[in-house]
Amino acid sequence: SQQGEEDPQALSIQEGENATMNCSYKTSINNLQWYRQNSGRGLVHLILIRSNEREKHSGRLRVTLDTSKKSSSLLITASRAADTASYFCAPRISSGSARQLTFGSGTQLTVLP
Amino acid sequence: EAQVTQNPRYLITVTGKKLTVTCSQNMNHEYMSWYRQDPGLGLRQIYYSMNVEVTDKGDVPEGYKVSRKEKRNFPLILESPSPNQTSLYFCASSLSPFPTSDSPLHFGNGTRLTVT
Repeated sequence: SQQGEEDPQALSIQEGENATMNCSYKTSINNLQWYRQNSGRGLVHLILIRSNEREKHSGRLRVTLDTSKKSSSLLITASRAADTASYFCAPRISSGSARQLTFGSGTQLTVLP
Repeated sequence: EAQVTQNPRYLITVTGKKLTVTCSQNMNHEYMSWYRQDPGLGLRQIYYSMNVEVTDKGDVPEGYKVSRKEKRNFPLILESPSPNQTSLYFCASSLSPFPTSDSPLHFGNGTRLTVT
């Protein structure tokens, strides 16, 4: 099944630093979405970037998309302890199944106070 | 408040005892889906539904059933649970059923199931 693969699997940084997570996928997409999951809770949608966009911002979040490399990155600036969570990318494929979004294993971000 | 509600939050049961995990959304969403989450395997889709009476298999449908008799409800049924179905389960919904849409998924808070 089509899914994004997040990298790194785990990331630990100090409060105030920036956190960058990467996502790679395999085929053409309509858009790519990033989600956040606090421990044991449901995923929460963060931001969506369409295939014809290269960069998008939302508050402290910056997402980039490179369709030629089939990759995306999520940057969280000036991180806070409350940003500690798992982050998932979900590419929405252009054609075929209506199964919609599939998810990888995520990046576990730990922000140390 | 717009939300996806799953019940129960925690469930411990024994092998072979039929169970149902309920899922309800109050956003008039057409699309609903069930996922299971296991360490190292990420979220895997079990079943999804494009609308009332329209359901289809995801990646890991074996051992599960679903129904979509009403738009708001999408229960997950385990007819004969086994220990390998011990997992964290999530229900999710989105406004549009179409793969090309920008509709995000809204997730419930999860059901932690243990089958002994």
